[in-house]
Amino acid sequence: AQSVSQHNHHVILSEAASLELGCNYSYGGTVNLFWYVQYPGQHLQLLLKYFSGDPLVKGIKGFEAEFIKSKFSFNLRKPSVQWSDTAEYFCAFSGGGADGLTFGKGTHLIIQP
Amino acid sequence: DAGVIQSPRHEVTEMGQEVTLRCKPISGHDYLFWYRQTMMRGLELLIYFNNNVPIDDSGMPEDRFSAKMPNASFSTLKIQPSEPRDSAVYFCASSFRDRGPDTQYFGPGTRLTVL
Repeated sequence: AQSVSQHNHHVILSEAASLELGCNYSYGGTVNLFWYVQYPGQHLQLLLKYFSGDPLVKGIKGFEAEFIKSKFSFNLRKPSVQWSDTAEYFCAFSGGGADGLTFGKGTHLIIQP
Repeated sequence: DAGVIQSPRHEVTEMGQEVTLRCKPISGHDYLFWYRQTMMRGLELLIYFNNNVPIDDSGMPEDRFSAKMPNASFSTLKIQPSEPRDSAVYFCASSFRDRGPDTQYFGPGTRLTVL
């Protein structure tokens, strides 16, 4: 069955720390990969996406993610986090011609000032 | 653009009542998705439409759930009768797929509480 695993449910960091959120997907075919963010009280917004080409993808607000096909991974990174990055982060994918997204359970990130 | 619009934002109802959630996709988008978010199961796809036609409803939990899209600018998700386990946040999303996959834009969600 298709699934997405996000390794950390809760992450607490101090401002200026580096961030890496893990994401692994389970699917045997070609995938489209996404990271969405949900700030407190707001709706889901796209951070970045990978469809094809360069496996290192840059998104908004200084975030980037790297697609490693051999590891079925799409980890999210940011070199220096800010208090405003406090939010819930969701990894998701679509594949096999299906258009609906399969989401991970999310990672709740708290940045301490 | 106003983005995806959902109503109501909050709904509290009693078990057994009918609940109707509404969604207006972004103008020009040809795909519309309904998702449900719970603590236990996270975000799950319920059903999606392409050009107003339901394509995949395999995520609809049971016959109490139904969804319609009578035109390109409106969709409903109905639960009849509602049960406490239906309590969740229901999201609508839309996208425009021209020659490949594209980004889904999410609405603010409807928080449903069934007592």
